[in-house]
Amino acid sequence: NAGVTQTPKFRILKIGQSMTLQCTQDMNHNYMYWYRQDPGMGLKLIYYSVGAGITDKGEVPNGYNVSRSTTEDFPLRLELAAPSQTSVYFCASSYSRTAGLTDTQYFGPGTRLTVL
Amino acid sequence: ILNVEQSPQSLHVQEGDSTNFTCSFPSSNFYALHWYRWETAKSPEALFVMTLNGDEKKKGRISATLNTKEGYSYLYIKGSQPEDSATYLCAFKAAGNKLTFGGGTRVLVKP
Repeated sequence: NAGVTQTPKFRILKIGQSMTLQCTQDMNHNYMYWYRQDPGMGLKLIYYSVGAGITDKGEVPNGYNVSRSTTEDFPLRLELAAPSQTSVYFCASSYSRTAGLTDTQYFGPGTRLTVL
Repeated sequence: ILNVEQSPQSLHVQEGDSTNFTCSFPSSNFYALHWYRWETAKSPEALFVMTLNGDEKKKGRISATLNTKEGYSYLYIKGSQPEDSATYLCAFKAAGNKLTFGGGTRVLVKP
């Protein structure tokens, strides 16, 4: 199992450009998440999905969009990149059988994005 | 927005010394408290999931306790080694399946 994979690892964008951060998991997890990590701020939840076709906003969704057409993939879309979106982005997944009371999240290696 | 705080933000420990740090979270509507270990340039890895008041978990030299009534968890590192250097994140789970992460405690163990 590769676990959770993310591409690209690094990217530099100009203000106003768009891009998609890819996330794939091969563990057949039903829940997937996107976080951003800013220095000293821990992880902030952007969007999450409880299964294919279902997505919901997290704590900081503005400026982002997601889709979940398959169980394995959960891409994050930035439509009009802004300097405030400079961050490290982590995708994670988990398997929930009991409404997610104790399930552990498995994280991808992260994508470091800089918007200039 | 749930408030999950970790203190201190960072600490330096001499190799061989023991240390501990705190995660504070809301004491109401508690479901679970997670601890993750996050090494530089890697992704967070799960250490413990704690669900019951009074829970104690241990993995090697690292252990954690949980007090859900007062809303805190302690993580202990006994006999710190350089490989323990990392950021330790706690995450609180209330309703649904969304974890709220604290800001982390960055531990640096000096040889």
